[in-house]
Amino acid sequence: QVQLVESGGGVVQPGESLRLSCAASGITFNTYTMHWVRQAPGKGLEWVAVIWFDGSAKFYADSVRGRFTISRDNSKDTLYLQMNSLRAEDTAVYYCTTDGSDFYGGAYWGQGTLVTISS
Amino acid sequence: IVLTQTPLSSPVTLGQPASISCKSTQSLVHSDGNTYLNWLHQRPGQPPRLLIYKISNRFSGVPDRFSGSGAGTDFTLKISRVEAEDVGVYYCMQATQPTWTFGQGTKVEI
Repeated sequence: QVQLVESGGGVVQPGESLRLSCAASGITFNTYTMHWVRQAPGKGLEWVAVIWFDGSAKFYADSVRGRFTISRDNSKDTLYLQMNSLRAEDTAVYYCTTDGSDFYGGAYWGQGTLVTISS
Repeated sequence: IVLTQTPLSSPVTLGQPASISCKSTQSLVHSDGNTYLNWLHQRPGQPPRLLIYKISNRFSGVPDRFSGSGAGTDFTLKISRVEAEDVGVYYCMQATQPTWTFGQGTKVEI
């Protein structure tokens, strides 16, 4: 069965950095486009970033462009999110998610990792 | 693309139907001819779970009391008979563009 396991969350101060990881299993990772989606406490879902199956294209939400970098290591079946210059408004649960085998959009989700930005 | 859900809150009665609307500011028809409008369900403290993809297709393991319909810019999720486990927040999302967007969420409570 498909499993996506995020890690790397924690509490950091404004302006600091954090790197999230998402380990995938149960899918042929190098054929799937991968996304990060976040959810601030008590709020809705916000799409963050996407990376093509081969890493050839990346897109970001306006709110994180220039501060966050999405990447992947297909040899390790792992997705990453490097987060720099963190702000209080980046506080959220971060989910990695991917498409279905023959459709786009949120078929599989990890359990999420909590990132808290606080001084 | 902005998705607007109505209602934002829906008190329901067990065994009764429920319906949620999702309207898009632009057509969600992809260049491949498919419409990637999906519905997710999220229980408190849990990640979202896919219910419906491409407007009307139930994902693996989703009960048949859930159904989706619509076309173009107007879409609807229906629950034929609400069960206790159906409480939570429902989101529509579009994946026609790789930069996904989500509706605000509709909270369903008994």
